[in-house]
Amino acid sequence: QVQLVESGGGVVQPGGSLKLSCVASGFVFNDYGMHWVRQAPGKGLEWVAFIRYDGSSKYYADSVKGQFTISRDNSKNTVSLQMNSLRPDDTAMYYCAKDSIRLLDWLLPDSWGQGTLVTVSS
Amino acid sequence: DVVMTQTPLSLSVTPGQPASISCKSSRSLLHSDGKTSLSWFLQRPGQSPQLLIYDAFNRFSGVPHRFSGSGSGTDFTLKISRVEAEDVGVYYCMQNIEFPPTFGGGTRVEIK
Repeated sequence: QVQLVESGGGVVQPGGSLKLSCVASGFVFNDYGMHWVRQAPGKGLEWVAFIRYDGSSKYYADSVKGQFTISRDNSKNTVSLQMNSLRPDDTAMYYCAKDSIRLLDWLLPDSWGQGTLVTVSS
Repeated sequence: DVVMTQTPLSLSVTPGQPASISCKSSRSLLHSDGKTSLSWFLQRPGQSPQLLIYDAFNRFSGVPHRFSGSGSGTDFTLKISRVEAEDVGVYYCMQNIEFPPTFGGGTRVEIK
């Protein structure tokens, strides 16, 4: 079955950087787009970024555009999120998720990892 | 961005009784292919979200039949025919008709 395992979270000072990774298994990784979605403590879900199955297109929420970079390595079944200039309001659980339809930008995350927690604090 | 509005904010339900959650979108979610780009997720306490319903009324793999989705255009409903203890959590609707995908604010369901 689909398995997504995130890593790389932790405590970082404001202005710092962090790179999250998500290793996928149980499906043909290079056939599916991948998402990052975050959830601030006690708050709702906020979509963050999406990368097409082949990496040729990337989309970002306005709140992170120019600050975060999504990438993927299809040879390693891995999607990453490089986060720079972190602010306290970036504190959240970050989930990676698989898109639902192969070879299309369907924008529906149908399987989610357990998340990795990012805390931005001095 | 498409704004998704859920009501109520919270719901307390007796086991075995039905429950209903409403979701309204700020624009039509009818896709050019005839499908409706509205989905429902459940986030149980301490867990990651899981997909329940996609394309407004299709149950995702493994989702019990007591969950059903309905609606069209801008108005949608998730119904649980008979609530069970494991249905506790926060329910979110989400639109995937355009970037950025957006979520409703969530509806918390608890058991009486």
